[in-house]
Amino acid sequence: EAQVTQNPRYLITVTGKKLTVTCSQNMNHEYMSWYRQDPGLGLRQIYYSMNVEVTDKGDVPEGYKVSRKEKRNFPLILESPSPNQTSLYFCASRGTWRGETQYFGPGTRLLVL
Amino acid sequence: GNSVTQMEGPVTLSEEAFLTINCTYTATGYPSLFWYVQYPGEGLQLLLKATKADDKGSNKGFEATYRKETTSFHLEKGSVQVSDSAVYFCALKTEYGNKLVFGAGTILRVKS
Repeated sequence: EAQVTQNPRYLITVTGKKLTVTCSQNMNHEYMSWYRQDPGLGLRQIYYSMNVEVTDKGDVPEGYKVSRKEKRNFPLILESPSPNQTSLYFCASRGTWRGETQYFGPGTRLLVL
Repeated sequence: GNSVTQMEGPVTLSEEAFLTINCTYTATGYPSLFWYVQYPGEGLQLLLKATKADDKGSNKGFEATYRKETTSFHLEKGSVQVSDSAVYFCALKTEYGNKLVFGAGTILRVKS
């Protein structure tokens, strides 16, 4: 079954404590990205990756890091989380054909105290 | 820049009512247009898409037509069900880009 998985699904942490949210896809997709969802703002892209070792900033990259060492994995790293990073995070992947569907993970709800 | 504007919600309807959720966009070139649905506690799922002007996307009784002259992609359904209660996102992808640009989302609540 084609899917994007994320872990953990829920996380409560404190300001400044480094955390990583993992993302993995089983569709051999080149393109992966991270979004955050906030009320009234829709989904905003944080970072994206066109392929292994190729990453770039999205619209709201501040406070986040990513890496793409393998095609299937695209972890999101918060080196020093702050309360304004409390949000719902989604990982997504798709192939590179123009009209191809983007698949989303189930989401990670993060609360930073 | 590229942007998507959706009607504000929440939209509250009775079962079997007609649904319209408006979506307009601003983009250069010929974007692809999408509607995604997010059920409570879940991620986003593609509902339908259209990749060129006058295309009609359809799925599960929902339809949307890509109107380039009005830069719109309104979502419609003839008879909603309680199970359609969800958040609906309109999105675009530019012709040569890879990023999806989302609207703010519209909450739909259907009462029995």
